[in-house]
Amino acid sequence: DTGVSQNPRHKITKRGQNVTFRCDPISEHNRLYWYRQTLGQGPEFLTYFQNEAQLEKSRLLSDRFSAERPKGSFSTLEIQRTEQGDSAMYLCTSRRTDYGNTIYFGEGSWLTVV
Amino acid sequence: GENVEQHPSTLSVQEGDSAVIKCTYSDSASNYFPWYKQELGKGPQLIIDIRSNVGEKKDQRIAVTLNKTAKHFSLHITETQPEDSAVYFCAASYNADKLIFGTGTRLQVFP
Repeated sequence: DTGVSQNPRHKITKRGQNVTFRCDPISEHNRLYWYRQTLGQGPEFLTYFQNEAQLEKSRLLSDRFSAERPKGSFSTLEIQRTEQGDSAMYLCTSRRTDYGNTIYFGEGSWLTVV
Repeated sequence: GENVEQHPSTLSVQEGDSAVIKCTYSDSASNYFPWYKQELGKGPQLIIDIRSNVGEKKDQRIAVTLNKTAKHFSLHITETQPEDSAVYFCAASYNADKLIFGTGTRLQVFP
């Protein structure tokens, strides 16, 4: 499978705990994006990277959220002190800027905060 | 910032009929307009996209039209099949960074 890979696929956590999601983009894709999707809504942009540099963060990304892409390959999204409102699907996508605009999503990581 | 409106929110059609979903966007700088199909529990699947230098694009039973002047774009599915049943999302962006999504259309195709 050469698509975007996300782990874990499902995570149930207690309120107040920290969680981390990992995204492995398509090989050689220099841009990587994180989105969040709550039930019944379309995905919402969170942040994106050009290689290891974080270029933009949405206002949705509160101080409890941090994303990294340390070597310009995989990325992690950490949520600290989770709240019930964080329950959502976290989606990762990637693209190679010299190949055009096509964006393919991974299968997402479901977070349930209880 | 960009805002995308999508209609209708639900659409029921008989198998074999056509389905049309419409979206409008607000930012005239947007130049990339993808459509995604999402099945329950899965990530969005790209089904077709169009760039602002093109007015129409077709891929088998699926077509997308773009009217830059009116800032709207539409998804057309012909000869619908039960497996087309899903939630469809439109999106708009400048160069595919920071996609802004519509609110989704739940399509049901009855056999």
